Amino acid sequence: DAMVIQNPRYQVTQFGKPVTLSCSQTLNHNVMYWYQQKSSQAPKLLFHYYDKDFNNEADTPDNFQSRRPNTSFCFLDIRSPGLGDAAMYLCATTRQGNEKLFFGSGTQLSVL
Amino acid sequence: SQQGEEDPQALSIQEGENATMNCSYKTSINNLQWYRQNSGRGLVHLILIRSNEREKHSGRLRVTLDTSKKSSSLLITASRAADTASYFCATVSPNDYKLSFGAGTTVTVRA
Repeated sequence: DAMVIQNPRYQVTQFGKPVTLSCSQTLNHNVMYWYQQKSSQAPKLLFHYYDKDFNNEADTPDNFQSRRPNTSFCFLDIRSPGLGDAAMYLCATTRQGNEKLFFGSGTQLSVL
Repeated sequence: SQQGEEDPQALSIQEGENATMNCSYKTSINNLQWYRQNSGRGLVHLILIRSNEREKHSGRLRVTLDTSKKSSSLLITASRAADTASYFCATVSPNDYKLSFGAGTTVTVRA
């Protein structure tokens, strides 16, 4: 049974057209993360939430925002996608911050 | 920022052989974790080793940690074609909840 679910699996958007990626979890974990992974590279942390406490990485572009309306759901909003934002976006959760992460299957974003 | 560096970048072995990959990191850690990623999929946690541990086993996996050298290794014994994947090390610092990943090692197991 999937415990961290990301929708959609593939997302195609147009240059400059806002897009929202979603993540839900059935694990009741406190911490949720969004990572960006470009081809053949390491996952790069964009944001993380500890409960409702939002933490933005210093080098995350302003174009990226996140919302966590409740424990189960987290959203990644890209306000004006550029060609360089095409990547796999990975959502992950953990009960506390120093334990193993559970990842979703990812959303592959294409920008045309 | 990227914490770990992995070596080698790519590894090709015959089924049944062992695969060893190494990870080095820069700052102090709470724990170090290894993940596996099949092409186009999310990451799957393999094993976690804490800073006060030196070796850990899980099935065909063996992980070592040397905090004095800031390095870790992952050994996969008796490899199978299904072990073909990318393997990432990741570190958690003592000060925050962030998991920082290395660039990964791509392992190809030939049948």
